[in-house]
Amino acid sequence: NAGVTQTPKFQVLKTGQSMTLQCAQDMNHEYMSWYRQDPGMGLRLIHYSVGAGITDQGEVPNGYNVSRSTTEDFPLRLLSAAPSQTSVYFCASSRTSGSSGANVLTFGAGSRLTVL
Amino acid sequence: GQQLNQSPQSMFIQEGEDVSMNCTSSSIFNTWLWYKQDPGEGPVLLIALYKAGELTSNGRLTAQFGITRKDSFLNISASIPSDVGIYFCAGPYMDSNYQLIWGAGTKLIIKP
Repeated sequence: NAGVTQTPKFQVLKTGQSMTLQCAQDMNHEYMSWYRQDPGMGLRLIHYSVGAGITDQGEVPNGYNVSRSTTEDFPLRLLSAAPSQTSVYFCASSRTSGSSGANVLTFGAGSRLTVL
Repeated sequence: GQQLNQSPQSMFIQEGEDVSMNCTSSSIFNTWLWYKQDPGEGPVLLIALYKAGELTSNGRLTAQFGITRKDSFLNISASIPSDVGIYFCAGPYMDSNYQLIWGAGTKLIIKP
């Protein structure tokens, strides 16, 4: 069982370039999300989705786009990369059930992005 | 806005020592979550707390949901080398079922 798979693991971009971080899960989880992790700041939610065709913004959505055409995949797009987007990005998924909502997250191993 | 303050920021401990860390907020939370992140990996859920006053254990780990609902504590007994990593507390943002807010983490380092 692969869980949550993120690609690429490392990426270097120049300012203004675009790219897509891929995320796939094989657990049939309804909920998927993208976080960024910066030193000393914990994790901050970028975008999330509660099912195919449904996406919503998190705490820091500016500069990022997402779509959810299937239950399994939730790609994160950077349309015009900026140095401030240098970070480690994590995709996470969860069932949505009962009072616990989408709290029991399964994370991918992360994608380290550097924007020069 | 809502914030979670974790302390200490980092801890240097000897193998075998007990460890305590906490997480506080100025607002009430109805759920407290504790995750651990190993180097180069994503966080993994350790313990979830859903009721004020709740005390829950997972092996050598014990977490408590503070009675005021504004804090939570995580204790690790008899630490071992594989306990190193970053421990995060998290809770639902504005009572959302789908958005979590995270503390900045407590980094645990074992002295050689």
